[in-house]
Amino acid sequence: AQRVTQPEKLLSVFKGAPVELKCNYSYSGSPELFWYVQYSRQRLQLLLRHISRESIKGFTADLNKGETSFHLKKPFAQEEDSAMYYCALALGSARQLTFGSGTQLTVLP
Amino acid sequence: NAGVTQTPKFQVLKTGQSMTLQCAQDMNHEYMSWYRQDPGMGLRLIHYSVGAGITDQGEVPNGYNVSRSTTEDFPLRLLSAAPSQTSVYFCASSYTRGGGINSPLHFGNGTRLTVT
Repeated sequence: AQRVTQPEKLLSVFKGAPVELKCNYSYSGSPELFWYVQYSRQRLQLLLRHISRESIKGFTADLNKGETSFHLKKPFAQEEDSAMYYCALALGSARQLTFGSGTQLTVLP
Repeated sequence: NAGVTQTPKFQVLKTGQSMTLQCAQDMNHEYMSWYRQDPGMGLRLIHYSVGAGITDQGEVPNGYNVSRSTTEDFPLRLLSAAPSQTSVYFCASSYTRGGGINSPLHFGNGTRLTVT
């Protein structure tokens, strides 16, 4: 069963426009959710985690348990935000991460 | 500080051949894992280890073996390569458990494997 769903494979926005990358999860307990990002020619790296309620590079993500969502948002997209974004859920006794299928974000000039 | 190092970066195999993908980390991380990345399917967990001498299966373990004889190394073995194993393979590690709240995953640069 798909535990993490990212419905958009590709997303394009213009520079300065708001951007929202969708993530829905399936989990009955208290979820541990993360966003990881992979910039071109760089390693996959952690962007942010829900528990911290932090803003990294202008991105925020709010956990909505009612809608089982953890959408990633930024009010004004920049060209350097172009990357592949993965939503991930920690599962199991080892809290191993289950990733969504990813969304390729392209910010157009 | 090298972090997570994977070798080789690229590999081409013929069907039926075997090989080992190497992964080493120098951060004294207890947890290590292998993922494969396929278009449209994201990253899927193959095997993971919570410490030396302990390994467990992930979502897609068939056709792969792992061992964890030391904290630093976590090699992934393809026993008899098949075209379906053509993918990009990522090794990742973290201090404890699988990338939970206080222990983000650190990824290697990946190994691009093609099986013909």
